[in-house]
Amino acid sequence: GAVVSQHPSRVICKSGTSVKIECRSLDFQATTMFWYRQFPKQSLMLMATSNEGSKATYEQGVEKDKFLINHASLTLSTLTVTSAHPEDSSFYICSAATGLHGIFGPGTRLTVL
Amino acid sequence: AQSVTQLDSQVPVFEEAPVELRCNYSSSVSVYLFWYVQYPNQGLQLLLKYLSGSTLVKGINGFEAEFNKSQTSFHLRKPSVHISDTAEYFCAVSEGTSYDKVIFGPGTSLSVIP
Repeated sequence: GAVVSQHPSRVICKSGTSVKIECRSLDFQATTMFWYRQFPKQSLMLMATSNEGSKATYEQGVEKDKFLINHASLTLSTLTVTSAHPEDSSFYICSAATGLHGIFGPGTRLTVL
Repeated sequence: AQSVTQLDSQVPVFEEAPVELRCNYSSSVSVYLFWYVQYPNQGLQLLLKYLSGSTLVKGINGFEAEFNKSQTSFHLRKPSVHISDTAEYFCAVSEGTSYDKVIFGPGTSLSVIP
């Protein structure tokens, strides 16, 4: 079946640095991918919609200059958290659109010290 | 705008007992409904979905859900739970034009007691 991977699975970084998270659809092409953020004991909040070859669409309240999204190919979308701060520590999950339902990746745990 | 409500944040239930996890949604357009399960420190797994057709939907792991348009509900049920069903369950709704972009409810933590 369709599989989505994320890399890295876990990252720890210092405050002020930038972190890139990759989301890949392994055996299918996804023109659209979605990025979600999940704080501990909370639900998933949609951050942005990533479209191959065009600018991402951000949800209200999400800073586009802080969370840079690039969808350069049909199988890869990247989320870069720029100048990360402790409040950005969270579980980031991507979803690749199949036209039937989204296939979710395993998530990336970001900890900013 | 669409939204999803899961009234029960935590549901403890004894092993082999039946369980129902409640989900209500609000929307002004046609909706597609989903239930996802998340095991600790893992991603999401689709349990089942309602797109159209029969209002009773059967999913994996013995779960089923019933779409009730008049009550705007999509409750999840299982007749007999196992310890392995202990997890977080999310109800989700998608916009009328896309099955893929989903908005999640707050989640229900199911704890199965031996």
